[in-house]
Parts: sequence; structure tokens; C-alpha cells
Amino acid sequence: DQQVKQNSPSLSVQEGRISILNCDYTNSMFDYFLWYKKYPAEGPTFLISISSIKDKNEDGRFTVFLNKSAKHLSLHIVPSQPGDSAVYFCAASPTGNQFYFGTGTSLTVIP
Amino acid sequence: NAGVTQTPKFRVLKTGQSMTLLCAQDMNHEYMYWYRQDPGMGLRLIHYSVGEGTTAKGEVPDGYNVSRLKKQNFLLGLESAAPSQTSVYFCASTRDSYGYTFGSGTRLTVV
Repeated sequence: DQQVKQNSPSLSVQEGRISILNCDYTNSMFDYFLWYKKYPAEGPTFLISISSIKDKNEDGRFTVFLNKSAKHLSLHIVPSQPGDSAVYFCAASPTGNQFYFGTGTSLTVIP
Repeated sequence: NAGVTQTPKFRVLKTGQSMTLLCAQDMNHEYMYWYRQDPGMGLRLIHYSVGEGTTAKGEVPDGYNVSRLKKQNFLLGLESAAPSQTSVYFCASTRDSYGYTFGSGTRLTVV
């Protein structure tokens, strides 16, 4: 049973606009959350993290928001660039060690 | 700066054959992981290691064995390959159990 869900398999956004990728989880014990980006034929690349003591973390154009009561996190990319086109995975863990990954959302940024 | 290197990159096995996938990291990381990625399933943890000489089961360990005899290497073995093990396998490592560095993957087909 999938403990981390990304219900949108794909998303298309115009260059310069905001991309919002969503992730839901079922296990209330999850305290550590990560986002990864993956290009074809490459391994995933770590993007940004957040722990449950925070509700927001920013790194340049990337911001992750965490709503623990709703068991929901989102990744905002502003402004979106064509090079952001990739598959994005969210991952969650109760301990920071064994992470459970979502199924991914394929983002296409249209020039 | 090699990072995480996986060998081989591609392999075709016949049902019942055995093979070993090698993961090597040159970052002196303590934690190493093996994941498999299947369509619609995201990445699922097979086995992991929190240090040299240690291994632990992940989410989907059946049919696989691992060894971590040296800190820099993490081996994944398939004793008797089955078509259900057709997948893309990713190795990852991290210093502090957060923000993995992934290899570029091994695409395995079992016929």
C-alpha cells in the first residue's frame, strides 16, 4: 500500500509561471521529507528537504511547504524554467533513514 | 568526482540465473541503499546499510541479498532471477541519512 502518493502523474506550466507539485502521505509518524528531481537515464538528484518542526523551507527558486495536520506537502518552483522539466519525487521517513517514495510527477515547462 | 558508480548499467538475465550489482561510492558515506523503480510504483527500498559490515531489510527485500564488506561498496545479489525482478535499480549513499546521492541506475531485464 502506497504510503506516499503523488496523485498528478504530469503537469505542464508556462515558462516564468509557478509550478506546484503536490504530495500526500498516510503515515503520521513521518517526520522527514525530501524532494528529488530526475532526468531520463539519470539517478534522482536531491532538491530540498523539510522536517516536521518546520512548515516551510526555501532554497532559491524552490520552496517546500508542509502541512502536518493534512499530511500534505508541496513543492513550489518560481519562476519555472525549461530546465526544470523532469520527474519530481517526494519522499518521507519516520526516522530520516528509511524513506518511502511517491510515484513521481512529470513536470514540463513550456518555453 | 565520481560520486556513486553502479555497474553494470544494463543487463539481460535468463530466469534462474544469478548476478551481482555493484555500487561504489567515493564520498566516505556511512549509509548506502538499494532501490528499485518500477512504472507506477515510485522507488522502493530493497535493502540498506548504516555502516560497514551492517545490512538491513527495506520495503521489498525478498529475492535479494546484500553485503557491505567495505565501506565504499554495497553489493546487491540476485540468487535466482525472476521476471518480476525486471526493473531499474538505483544505489544511493549519504553521510547523515538525509539527502541521498544516487547512482545513474542499472536497467535489468529478466527473460
